[in-house]
Amino acid sequence: DQQVKQNSPSLSVQEGRISILNCDYTNSMFDYFLWYKKYPAEGPTFLISISSIKDKNEDGRFTVFLNKSAKHLSLHIVPSQPGDSAVYFCAASGTRTGANNLFFGTGTRLTVIP
Amino acid sequence: GAGVSQSPSNKVTEKGKDVELRCDPISGHTALYWYRQSLGQGLEFLIYFQGNSAPDKSGLPSDRFSAERTGGSVSTLTIQRTQQEDSAVYLCASSDTSNQPQHFGDGTRLSIL
Repeated sequence: DQQVKQNSPSLSVQEGRISILNCDYTNSMFDYFLWYKKYPAEGPTFLISISSIKDKNEDGRFTVFLNKSAKHLSLHIVPSQPGDSAVYFCAASGTRTGANNLFFGTGTRLTVIP
Repeated sequence: GAGVSQSPSNKVTEKGKDVELRCDPISGHTALYWYRQSLGQGLEFLIYFQGNSAPDKSGLPSDRFSAERTGGSVSTLTIQRTQQEDSAVYLCASSDTSNQPQHFGDGTRLSIL
């Protein structure tokens, strides 16, 4: 049972425009959310996180938005650059879930077109 | 380097053989995780170590899978009597404590013939 879902397997965006990657979750006990970026043949690299006490966290070109009532989060990249082309994974965890691990979505492949 | 180190980077073996995968976490990180990523799938949790506590083995798919963490640092994941469905990329991650960003190694790509 997939508790974290990324329904768009791929996304293409022109360089300089905004990339919006979406993620939905089902477990209301999740209280910590992360985005990872993955290049081929490398491990996932931590990008940005957000705690459930916030609804927005910004770091440079990257902003994560959390909508707890909709159980939805999104990652905005602006402006998008060709080097942002990678697979992006959404992940979630919760101190109250009884589980110690991250739950991952299946990823969205972002292609930024020069 | 200062990151999580995994070895080997690639492993090809015949069905039925045992394999050992190694992970060196970031120095000082008390939490260590093993995940695997099968083709077209997200990362699937396998096992979690935190300090000297008993490991959380709830993600191990069968009793052919086991893991150790010696001295609170290096970890090995062992798969006995490998099957073709064990083919995947096995990723190790470590973090300062649980519920902090996990930092991943580059993984071991395991192929069972």
